[in-house]
Amino acid sequence: AQSVTQLGSHVSVSEGALVLLRCNYSSSVPPYLFWYVQYPNQGLQLLLKYTSAATLVKGINGFEAEFKKSETSFHLTKPSAHMSDAAEYFCAVSAGTALIFGKGTTLSVSS
Amino acid sequence: DTGVSQNPRHKITKRGQNVTFRCDPISEHNRLYWYRQTLGQGPEFLTYFQNEAQLEKSRLLSDRFSAERPKGSFSTLEIQRTEQGDSAMYLCASSPRDGGPYEQYFGPGTRLTVT
Repeated sequence: AQSVTQLGSHVSVSEGALVLLRCNYSSSVPPYLFWYVQYPNQGLQLLLKYTSAATLVKGINGFEAEFKKSETSFHLTKPSAHMSDAAEYFCAVSAGTALIFGKGTTLSVSS
Repeated sequence: DTGVSQNPRHKITKRGQNVTFRCDPISEHNRLYWYRQTLGQGPEFLTYFQNEAQLEKSRLLSDRFSAERPKGSFSTLEIQRTEQGDSAMYLCASSPRDGGPYEQYFGPGTRLTVT
C-alpha cells in the first residue's frame, strides 16, 4: 500500500532563505508523486508532479523537487523564500485513482 | 477554464440534519473525486466517479453518505443525520479524460460545521 510521511509539521524560515520541506513515500509500484499548496480557507493548488521522467522536477512559483528512489524521498525546495510562500504544503502519492496525502507541513516566512 | 467550483463554501447545521454539497468540475473533465479534510490532516479520499459511474468508495464513506453524478457533469454529496464528527472541509477535484497520471485539480472546498 502507498503512504506518505512528511517530516516536520511546521517549518519556519526567514525571507530570502532556502526552503526545504521533506517528504518520504512508500509504494509497492513505481510512484507518481505530487506536491500541493493550500492557502487558508482555499482548496489545493498543484505545485509540481513526478511522473517517472526527469528526477528533478520544476514547478510553479520557483519550487522544485527531486525524486530519490534510493532514499524513497521527494523533498520540496525553493532557493529563496518569499512572504507569499507562507501556506500549508502537502505531499501526495497516487494510489490508483485516489491520492494519498501526508499530514502537511505549515511553512512560516518571517521578514 | 473556470476551475472546479463548490457550493456552498460554508455550511453550519445542527446535529441530525441532512446537508447536500455541490461540485462543478472543470468542463470536459470526466473524472471527479471527493475528499474530506479535518483540521491538521491531509485530505482523505472518499469516492471517485468516471463520467456518471461511481467506481470507487472509501471505507470512510459510511451509509449516511451518498454521492451522485447524474449525466456525468456536476456531482452532489449528501450527508444524512449529520454528526459532530462530520465537521470537516469537503473537497472536490476533477481530472481530464486523457490527463495523467491522475493529476487532480481541486475546488475551494465546502466547510461543514455540525453543532
